[in-house]
This record gives sequence, structure tokens and C-alpha cells, in this order.
Amino acid sequence: AQSVTQLGSHVSVSEGALVLLRCNYSSSVPPYLFWYVQYPNQGLQLLLKYTSAATLVKGINGFEAEFKKSETSFHLTKPSAHMSDAAEYFCAVTHSGTYKYIFGTGTRLKVLA
Amino acid sequence: DVKVTQSSRYLVKRTGEKVFLECVQDMDHENMFWYRQDPGLGLRLIYFSYDVKMKEKGDIPEGYSVSREKKERFSLILESASTNQTSMYLCASKGNQPQHFGDGTRLSIL
Repeated sequence: AQSVTQLGSHVSVSEGALVLLRCNYSSSVPPYLFWYVQYPNQGLQLLLKYTSAATLVKGINGFEAEFKKSETSFHLTKPSAHMSDAAEYFCAVTHSGTYKYIFGTGTRLKVLA
Repeated sequence: DVKVTQSSRYLVKRTGEKVFLECVQDMDHENMFWYRQDPGLGLRLIYFSYDVKMKEKGDIPEGYSVSREKKERFSLILESASTNQTSMYLCASKGNQPQHFGDGTRLSIL
């Protein structure tokens, strides 16, 4: 069975500071991993995906994530937070043998002026 | 770009009503999904479909049914709406990875 844990349901950072959102996964088979962003009253938008190619994945809006198999982690980072990054972020896991995605419970990012 | 369109952004219905939520995708994707999203619970899968007329229950199918008569359209049906079905409903479609989402329908049952 697969699972995803997002540490911290709320994270606050100052504008210009590093953003670090944590995601740990559990999977008995090679995983595919995703980060999505959700702005208020909107659907989920894909930020980036890992599908067994390069372990450092670059996404939209300056975000990136690194797949670390030894730590079963896929943390999301951005060097410098912008006010427009305030949103909820979801990590998700799946694998090649299933249609289903397992989503984390989300991390709400607040950016302080 | 993939476009997943949900027919309503906001919907208010009464308990006991039969409610239809519609979702259309324009990328000829085989797979389509319905989720509900509640604070602190993330996204929970209600039903998914991997082909026309084919469907499988997700994690919380009780009180819901679905219909997929055409490849591009996946409908979620609340047979007899109840207040505990007040939620945000998200539709998604997928060919290869990843899933692509619509803007959601915020449904209130009074």
C-alpha cells in the first residue's frame, strides 16, 4: 500500500525567505510523485512531477523538488518566497500499476510581508 | 493544454434532491476521477472510470453513483443529497501521468 505524509498543515515564511514544504511517502514499488498547488476556490494545478527520470525536478513558478529514495522524501523548495505563493500545496504518490493517486492532507503556505 | 471543465463552480441544493455534477475533458483521456475535498482530510476518491461505461468505487462511494456514457464526460450523481455531502468536488482526468484537475464545484446541501 502507498501513503503520503505532509509534515505541517500550516507553514509561514517571510517574503524573500526559503520555502520548504515536506513530503514523505511510503511505497513498496517505484513511485511516481507529484506536487500540486491550489489557490482559493480553484482546482489543483500541477507544479512538478517525478516519474523515475532525474531526481531533482524543476517545476513552474521557481519551485523544485528532490526525490530521495533513502529518505523516502520528496520535499518541495523555492529559494525566495513571493506573496503570490500563498496557497495550499498537496503531495501525491502513485505507481505504474494503478490508476489511483494517494494525496497528502495538504500544507497551507502563508507568506508574510 | 488539457482542459477539464466542471459545469458549475457553486451549487446549492436541498436535502433529498438528486444532484448531478458534470465534468468534461478535451484530451481524449481514458481515465477520469471524482474526488471530494474537505478541510484537514485532503482529497478522497469517490469513483473513477478507466473507459466508457467502466467504473470502479474509490474510497468513499457511499451515497454517490457515476455515469460515463461518452469518453469525454464523467458525471457524479448524488442520489438523495444529504447535508454531510456539502463539500468541494473535484474532477480529474488522466492519460499518462499526471492527473489534470477542473476548477471544482463547491456544493452546499441545505
